[in-house]
Amino acid sequence: GQQLNQSPQSMFIQEGEDVSMNCTSSSIFNTWLWYKQDPGEGPVLLIALYKAGELTSNGRLTAQFGITRKDSFLNISASIPSDVGIYFCAGWVGYGNKLVFGAGTILRVKS
Amino acid sequence: GAGVSQSPSNKVTEKGKDVELRCDPISGHTALYWYRQSLGQGLEFLIYFQGNSAPDKSGLPSDRFSAERTGGSVSTLTIQRTQQEDSAVYLCASSLGTGLALPQHFGDGTRLSIL
Repeated sequence: GQQLNQSPQSMFIQEGEDVSMNCTSSSIFNTWLWYKQDPGEGPVLLIALYKAGELTSNGRLTAQFGITRKDSFLNISASIPSDVGIYFCAGWVGYGNKLVFGAGTILRVKS
Repeated sequence: GAGVSQSPSNKVTEKGKDVELRCDPISGHTALYWYRQSLGQGLEFLIYFQGNSAPDKSGLPSDRFSAERTGGSVSTLTIQRTQQEDSAVYLCASSLGTGLALPQHFGDGTRLSIL
């Protein structure tokens, strides 16, 4: 079945640094999404990507839909303490109602 | 509140008991999703409701799992004869249901622990 490999599993960075994480798959996805989850809360949708090659920003966040449709990355610029949490990528294959989720990247920020 | 509301927030029960988890979606949202999140893993799709259409139950892991959505609003996920592997956080999400059906607004989940 479809699987998303998300990396890194966790990262511990200095406040102010830029962060990059990515998601890859052997399957093609027609839509890529990035969510953030804080402890004890549900995921919050950050960015949605609908077209191969698309580059979209949301404040300090930038995400790209890979040209092969098998990968996506998320960048966070100038990280701040409230960026801590778990970031999930998710993909939709183009039919059905199911999103496939990666296992998440845990982000910890040193202040 | 204005968000997706789930209850209870935590549930501890003994193996073999039945449990009911409740989700109140955002008012006016016709699409409702249930996902399950096991420790250290991503979310796993369970079931999808859209308006009055037949639900997409393709993600339910066994016939012990069922869900209803009454009056197009509140949804209940029922797990019968619970097993230890059912322990997880059960998340509900809703969206307007127009265009691409993507879960946009998640509740904070019900943390289910089976002893």
